[in-house]
Amino acid sequence: AQSVTQLDSHVSVSEGTPVLLRCNYSSSYSPSLFWYVQHPNKGLQLLLKYTSAATLVKGINGFEAEFKKSETSFHLTKPSAHMSDAAEYFCVVSEGAGGTSYGKLTFGQGTILTVHP
Amino acid sequence: ETGVTQSPTHLIKTRGQQVTLRCSSQSGHNTVSWYQQALGQGPQFIFQYYREEENGRGNFPPRFSGLQFPNYSSELNVNALELDDSALYLCASSTRGGTQYFGPGTRLLVL
Repeated sequence: AQSVTQLDSHVSVSEGTPVLLRCNYSSSYSPSLFWYVQHPNKGLQLLLKYTSAATLVKGINGFEAEFKKSETSFHLTKPSAHMSDAAEYFCVVSEGAGGTSYGKLTFGQGTILTVHP
Repeated sequence: ETGVTQSPTHLIKTRGQQVTLRCSSQSGHNTVSWYQQALGQGPQFIFQYYREEENGRGNFPPRFSGLQFPNYSSELNVNALELDDSALYLCASSTRGGTQYFGPGTRLLVL
């Protein structure tokens, strides 16, 4: 069975400061890991995915995430927050190596990111 | 934009009624997955269709059913609606085993 725990339900930062959204996963198999973002009243947009080619994954809009197998973590970071980053972020795990997502995606509970001017 | 479209955008039904939600997948994709996102929660997997066959199901009762058509578009049907079925319903299209790209969702309110 696979599961995802997002360690913070809300994160608040000032514009221009770093962002850290924390995620731990559990999977019986070699996992595929993703971060999706959801802006208010919008669908889910893929930020980045872990494909096992590199442990540091770069995504869109300056976000990146580091896969740490020993810590079963996949934290999302960005060096400098922008007002447009305010949204809800979901860490997602799927059974299927290499960035594949056979069958179901299992979502975390989400982290709401607030960016203050 | 992902190229995945869903209709309708919003829907209001009463308890006991039936509803059909529709999803058009991105060009070149042959797999559609459906998710239910209750307010304040992460999406929950309902089921997946690949080449018109169900290819995995989450922990949802049989009154949630689906179809996939030869053009790979899909329907989600929910019978005997309950108040707890109120949620945002998301579909995602992909190639088999590929990254899932989501549509904007259908927001269903059951009164």
